[in-house]
Amino acid sequence: DTGVSQDPRHKITKRGQNVTFRCDPISEHNRLYWYRQTLGQGPEFLTYFQNEAQLEKSRLLSDRFSAERPKGSFSTLEIQRTEQGDSAMYLCASSLEAGGAVHYGYTFGSGTRLTVV
Amino acid sequence: TQLLEQSPQFLSIQEGENLTVYCNSSSVFSSLQWYRQEPGEGPVLLVTVVTGGEVKKLKRLTFQFGDARKDSSLHITAAQPGDTGLYLCAGGEYGNKLVFGAGTILRVKS
Repeated sequence: DTGVSQDPRHKITKRGQNVTFRCDPISEHNRLYWYRQTLGQGPEFLTYFQNEAQLEKSRLLSDRFSAERPKGSFSTLEIQRTEQGDSAMYLCASSLEAGGAVHYGYTFGSGTRLTVV
Repeated sequence: TQLLEQSPQFLSIQEGENLTVYCNSSSVFSSLQWYRQEPGEGPVLLVTVVTGGEVKKLKRLTFQFGDARKDSSLHITAAQPGDTGLYLCAGGEYGNKLVFGAGTILRVKS
């Protein structure tokens, strides 16, 4: 297994355009998370899936953002009508959780750097 | 939402020096993790601590979880330029997502 893969690594788009990012998690992992990170800050939670079910969405995730994880495999994050404030690193992570109270760590991808001009 | 505060925000030291970074919260976490992140890459997990008072060592890095599971520290002995990076702590909410601190930027000069 090669870890968590994200595509593309970099995306430059004009304001108002739609963009879509893809994440391929570690195949044995049942949970997939999307985070956003801006310069000088830690990652901020956006949403997560357990298998194909989207279990939680952050208030940061406006109506312009949508995420899917069909068949519990890869996931896509789409941003519609991009704004300059959407410029950030979008990180995907996966983990294997057994439903208990303890997390044993995320494996992150290398991220997608979005620049909205 | 549970918040994690990290200090210091930035640390610049000479090779061979020791350092400690802190992660504090008013909330209790089920677990706490430390990650290291290099520019343009995703965070990489260093350690997970679960039990209050737990101490874990990873070569020159020592991690401690507070007795009340609200705070943690990372101590690096004899820092090396390869230790340079952003150190992030993250708290595990019960059955749920990780909450990250803003990070400590460490620069080790040779």
